[in-house]
Amino acid sequence: QKEVEQNSGPLSVPEGAIASLNCTYSDRVSQSFFWYRQYSGKSPELIMSIYSNGDKEDGRFTAQLNKASQYVSLLIRDSQPSDSATYLCAGNSGGYQKVTFGTGTKLQVIP
Amino acid sequence: EAQVTQNPRYLITVTGKKLTVTCSQNMNHEYMSWYRQDPGLGLRQIYYSMNVEVTDKGDVPEGYKVSRKEKRNFPLILESPSPNQTSLYFCASSLVEYNEQFFGPGTRLTVL
Repeated sequence: QKEVEQNSGPLSVPEGAIASLNCTYSDRVSQSFFWYRQYSGKSPELIMSIYSNGDKEDGRFTAQLNKASQYVSLLIRDSQPSDSATYLCAGNSGGYQKVTFGTGTKLQVIP
Repeated sequence: EAQVTQNPRYLITVTGKKLTVTCSQNMNHEYMSWYRQDPGLGLRQIYYSMNVEVTDKGDVPEGYKVSRKEKRNFPLILESPSPNQTSLYFCASSLVEYNEQFFGPGTRLTVL
């Protein structure tokens, strides 16, 4: 099993809908998790970080962490065409020192 | 402005010609890291540094070297580049290793 796994997509949702992005991780990944957004040809930018079990909300974004099931998810409410990008899930591994990224899920928001 | 800078942004070189990609951050971050991004493989960590003079291998360190002589700088060195090192490279920094990272703009390297 890869340390951090994501469905590559593309995930297509209509404008205004909720986009749900999922990520699973292996035992080697530690307890810090991050969601980054990357537009084509640009560098990743942080959307959310989550460190403890449960939900964390920031505007239209909600990150969910379930350590028992080893998954992290990102919900985007009221999706906008500007949300169309690749979303990268990442977690610390190797005792926090290393950072492992998933391969990313491409999101397309259809106007 | 808080930022991570990389230079050059684009580089075309030939096999075997040593090159250095510079990375600098102005946020007094302890943790710095280099990644390469390839289609279908995502971001893979090459090397990271926990602090000055403390560096360690990531998942794909072969063919690369780094150094951390000053807190703000973390250059990536390719002593004998090969075509399989053609990639998009990102430098990133964070306050400490388990915090969110800030990424530089990327360096697109082509090795012929």
